[in-house]
Amino acid sequence: GENVEQHPSTLSVQEGDSAVIKCTYSDSASNYFPWYKQELGKGPQLIIDIRSNVGEKKDQRIAVTLNKTAKHFSLHITETQPEDSAVYFCAASRERGQNFVFGPGTRLSVLP
Amino acid sequence: DAGVIQSPRHEVTEMGQEVTLRCKPISGHNSLFWYRQTMMRGLELLIYFNNNVPIDDSGMPEDRFSAKMPNASFSTLKIQPSEPRDSAVYFCASSFPPGRRIEETQYFGPGTRLLVL
Repeated sequence: GENVEQHPSTLSVQEGDSAVIKCTYSDSASNYFPWYKQELGKGPQLIIDIRSNVGEKKDQRIAVTLNKTAKHFSLHITETQPEDSAVYFCAASRERGQNFVFGPGTRLSVLP
Repeated sequence: DAGVIQSPRHEVTEMGQEVTLRCKPISGHNSLFWYRQTMMRGLELLIYFNNNVPIDDSGMPEDRFSAKMPNASFSTLKIQPSEPRDSAVYFCASSFPPGRRIEETQYFGPGTRLLVL
C-alpha cells in the first residue's frame, strides 16, 4: 500500500522568510496530492492540492511542486506570517476525494 | 454551507462505557470518512462510505468499533466497550464521489476529542 513520508517534523522560521516542507510517496499510481493545515483544536483544512498531470501550482504565497519521477512533492510558503504557524499534512491518493494516506505532519512555527 | 458537523466536540467517559460519535457531512457529498488522530500514529483512516455503503473498513482497529451511515446526511462511529487507548481526536470528513467534474477533495469537521478514563 501507499506510504507517505514527510520532512521535517518541525520547522521554525523568522517572519518573512520562506518555509519548505517535503513529502515522498511510494505508490506510483497515486495521482492526487493535497496539503492540509491544522490549527490547534481544529480539523485539517485544505490549503492547496495538485494532480499528477501538473508540475507546479501556486496560490498567492503558497505553492506546491510535484516530481512524479522521483515521487516527491513539496509545499512552499513565502513571506511567512505568524498566522502560518500550524501543523501541515501532505497526503497522497489514487483518486481525488478517496482513500487519502497522510504524512506524519510538520509543525511550523513562524517567529515574529 | 455549514461544513461538516460533528458532535459532541468533547467526550469524557469511563472505561467500559459505550461512546457514540456523530457526523453530518456537507450537503451533496456522497463520500464520508472517519479518521482517528493521535500523537503516536498521526491521522489514520478508520472507515469510509460511498453512497452510504461502507467501502473500506480495514482501518477499524477491532470489533469494538463500528460505523453506520443510515442516510446521506448522517453517520455514527460507535465504540463499545471503550478503553483508555481509544482516547484520541476523531475526525469525520466528506467529499463528492470520484468522477464528478467538480472539486473532489475531502473536507474535515472540527473533530471530537475523546478521553476514556
